[in-house]
Amino acid sequence: KAGVTQTPRYLIKTRGQQVTLSCSPISGHRSVSWYQQTPGQGLQFLFEYFSETQRNKGNFPGRFSGRQFSNSRSEMNVSTLELGDSALYLCASSLEGGRRYEQYFGPGTRLTVT
Amino acid sequence: DQQVKQNSPSLSVQEGRISILNCDYTNSMFDYFLWYKKYPAEGPTFLISISSIKDKNEDGRFTVFLNKSAKHLSLHIVPSQPGDSAVYFCAASSNFGNEKLTFGTGTRLTIIP
Repeated sequence: KAGVTQTPRYLIKTRGQQVTLSCSPISGHRSVSWYQQTPGQGLQFLFEYFSETQRNKGNFPGRFSGRQFSNSRSEMNVSTLELGDSALYLCASSLEGGRRYEQYFGPGTRLTVT
Repeated sequence: DQQVKQNSPSLSVQEGRISILNCDYTNSMFDYFLWYKKYPAEGPTFLISISSIKDKNEDGRFTVFLNKSAKHLSLHIVPSQPGDSAVYFCAASSNFGNEKLTFGTGTRLTIIP
C-alpha cells in the first residue's frame, strides 16, 4: 500500500504570495491532518479534515486554510505569505481520525519564504 | 503556551546502553500519549502510545512510562542501536474537545557506536 504523498517537496516563494500544498492520503484513509514544523516549536497542529469537512482547527490565522476532496486528497493554502511561514508542512492520514487511530505522516513540503 | 515540553533538545548514548527520553505536560486533561520518531527528510513515524489508565506500556525494545501525578512521561530504549538515531517527539491528546495531538519540540537522539 502506497504511503502518504505530498507535493511539491520543496517550494520557494516571496513574501505576499500565496501557496497551495497537496496531500494524498493512504488509500482508504478518510482523515487528513496538517502540521507546521519549525525549529524550536515542534509540530503545530493546523487543521484536520474528515469526509470533506473540517473537524478540528489549530491556532493559526485565517491566512491558513484547507480543504478535502471526495477522494480524501487534501490541499492546504497559505495566502499573503510572511517570512515566519517558512517551515516544513506535514500532512498525516488516518483511517477514521482522532487519537484512537494511528496517524501516518508524509515526508513533508519544505516551504521557504524570501 | 507549550503544553507538552521536551526539555532536552539532544541526547547522546553509547550503543547497547539505555536511552531515556523525557517529556512533561501541563494540561491535566491529557489522557493519551504517543511517541513518534523522525528521520531527516521523512515524516514522523508512530512508535508507541499509552493511555492514562496505565503507567507502563512495552513494545519490544521500547517502553513508555507515565507518571500522572508528576505529569511526566518517558521513553526507554533498551538496548540502543545506531538505527535509533533520530528526533523523537512526544505528543498528547485529550478526550475532551477535539482530540487533536499536541506535540513537544523534539529530542535529537544520537547513538554512538
